Amino acid sequence: AQSVTQLGSHVSVSEGALVLLRCNYSSSVPPYLFWYVQYPNQGLQLLLKYTSAATLVKGINGFEAEFKKSETSFHLTKPSAHMSDAAEYFCAVSAQLSGGYNKLIFGAGTRLAVHP
Amino acid sequence: DTEVTQTPKHLVMGMTNKKSLKCEQHMGHRAMYWYKQKAKKPPELMFVYSYEKLSINESVPSRFSPECPNSSLLNLHLHALQPEDSALYLCASSQDLRSTVYGYTFGSGTRLTVV
Repeated sequence: AQSVTQLGSHVSVSEGALVLLRCNYSSSVPPYLFWYVQYPNQGLQLLLKYTSAATLVKGINGFEAEFKKSETSFHLTKPSAHMSDAAEYFCAVSAQLSGGYNKLIFGAGTRLAVHP
Repeated sequence: DTEVTQTPKHLVMGMTNKKSLKCEQHMGHRAMYWYKQKAKKPPELMFVYSYEKLSINESVPSRFSPECPNSSLLNLHLHALQPEDSALYLCASSQDLRSTVYGYTFGSGTRLTVV
């Protein structure tokens, strides 16, 4: 069964510092992996996705993630944090179900705080 | 149009009330989803519709009743809810159930409070 684990429920960085949010996956087949961001009282917005085309994936708002099969990781990074990056971030994997269906399974989430 | 629109944005209802949440998308997506999200938790899947047919029910209590009148609309009918059902209810859509390569598009959610 596919799953994702996000390491660190809270991450705090200074404005301008590197952002690193960790996600490890478990999957017996090549996975589709996603990062979503959720601002307070909002829905989820897709930041980026890995679909096996390239291991380094660039997303919106300056975020990128690198798929590392050897480490079963898909960590999210941004070189320089902005105050507006403060939000909840969810890593997700597309899980195969019986009947050929797929559904997204989310990690527990990481709350990113950005300090001046 | 690349949005999923949910109404209302906020809803307060008593435990004896009947209310409905609405979701609409015009992206031609054939799979639509209802998620429930409690505070500081990830979204939990409730129901999945594929080509207007209920495909997945994640053992949700019968006080939640989904409906998909057509390929663009998804409703969630609520009746006799409990205070613990208070949460953010998210609607999402994807091209179809067999291909999630593009991910899901989420609405902004309905913040439900049961009093």
